[in-house]
Amino acid sequence: EIVLTQSPATLSLSPGERATLSCRASQSVSNFLAWYQQKPGQAPRLLIYDASNRATGIPARFSGSGSGTDFTLTISSLEPEDFAVYYCQQYVNWPLTFGGGTKVEIK
Amino acid sequence: EMQVLESGGGLVQPGGSLRLSCAASGFTFSTFDMKWVRQAPGKGLEWVSSISGSGDRTYNADSVRGRFTITRDNSKNTLYLQVNSLRAEDTAVYYCAKGPYGDPGYYMDVWGKGITVTVSS
Repeated sequence: EIVLTQSPATLSLSPGERATLSCRASQSVSNFLAWYQQKPGQAPRLLIYDASNRATGIPARFSGSGSGTDFTLTISSLEPEDFAVYYCQQYVNWPLTFGGGTKVEIK
Repeated sequence: EMQVLESGGGLVQPGGSLRLSCAASGFTFSTFDMKWVRQAPGKGLEWVSSISGSGDRTYNADSVRGRFTITRDNSKNTLYLQVNSLRAEDTAVYYCAKGPYGDPGYYMDVWGKGITVTVSS
């Protein structure tokens, strides 16, 4: 099973600041990595797939990068609606696995 | 608009069973793989099961193998999850999610709102 480790667990930032979230895989996942956003009481929403492709309707301030074992989700300038929990997910191997999440909170 | 809507959750005793359903609309259901993902209270996301668009291939997490069965009825645009021998640790919100292709695996591009399953005596 591929383990995804997300860091930091919590990121305290102010609106307008840049957020950098990390996801590290226990073995290479090539570029088969997705990122999701989840707000309290809501379902997750796909942000990024294939490591760097924005899903339909996702604002340009969200970007993904990386390949192999190290990946980054960057939010260039935080909007109030971006404060949420973010998960990465790999789909190179079964079982599909998620990281433990990074909570982006208002400082 | 592509949508999926879960139903069938509830409170069940340990060892009991439920059948979760997921009604899909707004897309050609039979051409996309479907998945169940769960989230225990206060915890992260856990993939549970996947099924190909045609229904001929299924995959399950080790934690549910032998107890949960994923199926689909493409004539009804509906996904199912039969959950048997339920344990307290199965308590979670269960999400139905659509994949981007007919082959199982990959990511989840459309999510339902989720349905709660509580296992307790």
